Amino acid sequence: QVQLQESGPGLVKPSETLSLTCTVSGYSISSGYFWGWIRQPPGKGLEWIGNIYEGGSTNYNPSLKSRVTISIDTSKNQFSLKLSSVTAADTAVYYCTRGQSRFQSNWGQGTLVTVSS
Amino acid sequence: QSALTQPASVSGSPGQSITISCTATSSDVGGSNSVSWYQQHPGKAPKLLLYDVSNRPSGVSNRFSGSKSGNTASLTISGLQAEDEADYYCVSYTSSTRTQVFGGGTKLTVL
Repeated sequence: QVQLQESGPGLVKPSETLSLTCTVSGYSISSGYFWGWIRQPPGKGLEWIGNIYEGGSTNYNPSLKSRVTISIDTSKNQFSLKLSSVTAADTAVYYCTRGQSRFQSNWGQGTLVTVSS
Repeated sequence: QSALTQPASVSGSPGQSITISCTATSSDVGGSNSVSWYQQHPGKAPKLLLYDVSNRPSGVSNRFSGSKSGNTASLTISGLQAEDEADYYCVSYTSSTRTQVFGGGTKLTVL
């Protein structure tokens, strides 16, 4: 049974870079699937951020593309999210996911990241 | 503004059936047959209910079904149960851009 666990700072200052890591257990990240990130501002809906295939090809939400980088580390069985130049609007629960290009079948529990000075 | 429009809320009584609509506001989204639906209980991660319009992952109750007509996809929940009270989100995948877009979400209240 695959499990995903997000980790990273819960507080980030405005204009800095948000960095999160998703550790995958129960499945080798290099064996396939798309690995992605989705976020949810407090009290609001879900927003797709992007995903990466085990081979390294990435797809990003056009509205975030200029600030987002998703990378994969098969040696650690982890993948990561970097979001630069953050503002208060980036405050959200961030979920890491496993799935296909068109849907997410497994989700982490989510981690709240607050952008504040 | 989302490219997928869902009603903000729907309600129904136990045992009844309800339908949540998801209407695409752009042609590329509306032309997609890669629509998925997620259920989210408060404080929990979303759960995949349906993919590719009407396919259920293993373990999802057959009370959940999906369909699509033109630019509108629909999620139907039959035999409504108290545990179905949650937020529901549709997602459309556009193959030409390899991107996903979420609907705004619908809060289901079981009366």
